[in-house]
Amino acid sequence: DVKVTQSSRYLVKRTGEKVFLECVQDMDHENMFWYRQDPGLGLRLIYFSYDVKMKEKGDIPEGYSVSREKKERFSLILESASTNQTSMYLCASSSTSRRETQYFGPGTRLLVL
Amino acid sequence: AQSVTQLDSHVSVSEGTPVLLRCNYSSSYSPSLFWYVQHPNKGLQLLLKYTSAATLVKGINGFEAEFKKSETSFHLTKPSAHMSDAAEYFCVVSDPSGYSTLTFGKGTMLLVSP
Repeated sequence: DVKVTQSSRYLVKRTGEKVFLECVQDMDHENMFWYRQDPGLGLRLIYFSYDVKMKEKGDIPEGYSVSREKKERFSLILESASTNQTSMYLCASSSTSRRETQYFGPGTRLLVL
Repeated sequence: AQSVTQLDSHVSVSEGTPVLLRCNYSSSYSPSLFWYVQHPNKGLQLLLKYTSAATLVKGINGFEAEFKKSETSFHLTKPSAHMSDAAEYFCVVSDPSGYSTLTFGKGTMLLVSP
């Protein structure tokens, strides 16, 4: 089975802090994605990566950056956390041969105070 | 650009009665469509997907969905609801060009009462 893990289930940070969210997948997938999920808004794509060191902006990239130094790991970075970034963050991965089938991690619930 | 509209934010049914969760899509291409389910405090799980083969798609746990191009709809149904079906359901469309990113609907919360 594909496994996508996220470093924390819950995280509490203060406004202005730099926040790192880590995601690791164990199926050698080329594509990785970061979404945020908010009540009544569904999932919205923040950034994605289709290869090591490659990144593409999603629908809501403002206030975020990403890093993909290794194929299995994709990091989401909040350079200076703000209260409106309080949300559930979901990571996903997919293979290039079956790119539409994404496998999701359990999510990180981030609270910014 | 593609989009999906889930017509109900909440649906309430009694156990044993049919389930209907409605979804309309908009896409410039021949779309791939999906339904995902999220149980409380659990990750997202793929229920079923349509990728231009049979228009009636069967998924896990007795769910199925029918692709109707003339109505631009992809409604999710189940003949008989179980308590364990209570969850949030997302209709999703994929852009088949480029990177095949997914666009999610806003979700429908399914409530099942005894």
